[in-house]
Amino acid sequence: QSVLTQPPSVSGAPGQRITISCTGSRSNIGAPYDVHWYRQLSPTAPKLLIYANSNRPSGVPDRFSGSKSGTSASLAITGLQADDEADYYCQSYDSSLSTWVFGGGTKLTVL
Amino acid sequence: EVQLVESGGGLVQPGRSLRLSCATSGFRFDDYAMHWVRQAPGKGLEWVSGIDWNSENIDYADSVRGRFTISRNNAKNSLYLQMNSLRPEDTAFYYCARILGYPAGNFDYWGQGTLVTVSA
Repeated sequence: QSVLTQPPSVSGAPGQRITISCTGSRSNIGAPYDVHWYRQLSPTAPKLLIYANSNRPSGVPDRFSGSKSGTSASLAITGLQADDEADYYCQSYDSSLSTWVFGGGTKLTVL
Repeated sequence: EVQLVESGGGLVQPGRSLRLSCATSGFRFDDYAMHWVRQAPGKGLEWVSGIDWNSENIDYADSVRGRFTISRNNAKNSLYLQMNSLRPEDTAFYYCARILGYPAGNFDYWGQGTLVTVSA
């Protein structure tokens, strides 16, 4: 059971917009600690996609955006492409547990 | 170019020990805290342990506390994870990762991972 809750899967057609939610609590996202997003193409290592809630590292297209409100955060992907298929994870820090925490991951399928 | 390269994984029997290493290059190692994150086959990411730049602050997940020890050698630009009393549930890919910001920083660079399999 992950501290941060994500939907196990989402899907969308090419060109569409999808969102992935990440729900936490007042000891992590709502503390408020930053939320970060990672993309993983198995079996490779995760790669930073969004940092500090809504910032994109150099090289990440502006089709990817993040937001945060209260105890939840969201990752949005517009103009879906086939190679967006991957697993996406949110991450934050939890002050009650004094640990870094991840969401359970969301598998994105492009139909 | 920032690089993190893990080594030391392998097949080990339950109850035995293993030491993972993470060799880094391309950045000033002693400017950053470093962490280990693991991923069981087919499962999600699990934070394992973290160490700050001068080894004064060290944290562990409850699942490994008392069995795993994180350390670093700034002169060798290297991070380590000593894993004792290994259990089958420790089977996973182990990634070392650089963290930017404390405490709610992001893992901005990751190694390629090393697989640890705990089985009789």
